[in-house]
Amino acid sequence: EVQLVESGGDLVQPGGSLRLSCAASGFTFSIYAMGWVRQAPGKGLEWVSMISVSTETTNYADSVKGRFSISRDNSKNTLYLQMNSLRAEDTATYYCARKRVVPAGRNFFDYWGQGTLVTVSS
Amino acid sequence: DIQLTQSPSFLSASVGDTVTITCRASQGISSSLAWYQQKPGKAPNLLIFGASTLQSGVPSRFSGSDSGTEFTLTISSLQPEDFATYYCQQHDSFPLTFGGGTKVEVK
Repeated sequence: EVQLVESGGDLVQPGGSLRLSCAASGFTFSIYAMGWVRQAPGKGLEWVSMISVSTETTNYADSVKGRFSISRDNSKNTLYLQMNSLRAEDTATYYCARKRVVPAGRNFFDYWGQGTLVTVSS
Repeated sequence: DIQLTQSPSFLSASVGDTVTITCRASQGISSSLAWYQQKPGKAPNLLIFGASTLQSGVPSRFSGSDSGTEFTLTISSLQPEDFATYYCQQHDSFPLTFGGGTKVEVK
């Protein structure tokens, strides 16, 4: 059974940092591109970032570019999101999601974690 | 960036109804559209990708179609478990973008 379990969400002050983790199991993590999608309370979905299988390619939403960094450790089956210079508008539930392996080059998500809540407030 | 405009934002329907949700892209995305269902407090669930391909395990009452930059999700014979919020997402190019969502409520 495919499982994605996020952790690391917390209450943090504006300007602070946080690292989210996503532990994957039930599939061969190293052959799947992965991504992060967030959802502010009561709002819609917003794509945040994506990383390729080999970590060579990363993509970011403009709203987080330069502040957030996505990475992965295939030996630990874990995806990360390092979030720096956090702002109130980054408050959201952050979902880890697996890109469907086919069709290649088309980036959408077939499995999602349950989400972890990040609250940025003083 | 590609903008996706979903309509309506809210929809009231009854069990057994056929409902249609529309997603309009701001530019051509060559059938590169996915649909998700999200229930309160839960993660989204992939329903359809490539505008019309049903994800494995999704009931056949869900279907998708496209005509140029306009995409449609149709739910035939609405079931109690279908009351939820639905989102479209373009998977043509980065940045990936989602529509604003359509909440399907009980009439």
